Amino acid sequence: SQQGEEDPQALSIQEGENATMNCSYKTSINNLQWYRQNSGRGLVHLILIRSNEREKHSGRLRVTLDTSKKSSSLLITASRAADTASYFCAMNAGGYQKVTFGTGTKLQVIP
Amino acid sequence: EAQVTQNPRYLITVTGKKLTVTCSQNMNHEYMSWYRQDPGLGLRQIYYSMNVEVTDKGDVPEGYKVSRKEKRNFPLILESPSPNQTSLYFCASSQGLAGDWETQYFGPGTRLLVL
Repeated sequence: SQQGEEDPQALSIQEGENATMNCSYKTSINNLQWYRQNSGRGLVHLILIRSNEREKHSGRLRVTLDTSKKSSSLLITASRAADTASYFCAMNAGGYQKVTFGTGTKLQVIP
Repeated sequence: EAQVTQNPRYLITVTGKKLTVTCSQNMNHEYMSWYRQDPGLGLRQIYYSMNVEVTDKGDVPEGYKVSRKEKRNFPLILESPSPNQTSLYFCASSQGLAGDWETQYFGPGTRLLVL
């Protein structure tokens, strides 16, 4: 099965700057989601975008999806130190049961 | 409080000694799943369950067993653990087809070391 590839693997920015991370995948999907993980803890769901949507917003988060390029991006605006975490994309293809995750982007926001 | 719990949180064991990691959710979710997380590989799905008595393999099921006798519980069983099963394990649940099936709620993780 496919697995998402995320880049960059690691990103370090100053507080207040924007952070962009990208996810690419190989086969058609039903939806794509983004999760956050704080230092080895459980993942927290951030936002979902469906295959027929191109852009979605939630607070300081903006997600885009380009199905022709099989890629998605997550933008965090005006970053805060509390945004320091690893971010994973996850996708459903075919049935809802099987979920595949990307390899993750480790974001560090320096105060 | 709505949550997914896992026990134990940390476990050190030896090769071949059977172990069970428990997972329980109090949200009446239909869907439950197990993942393992390894550095550089992200999360990989081991097994999932769409409802009681319905389970199926994920991407990396070898060496693992699961059961779903009750809706709230989904234990992960390692019959004969090997060092390559050393990993961080997560249980997750979602409403499944009963509702918002895409949003998964994760447990805190179980860190397993097999010597």
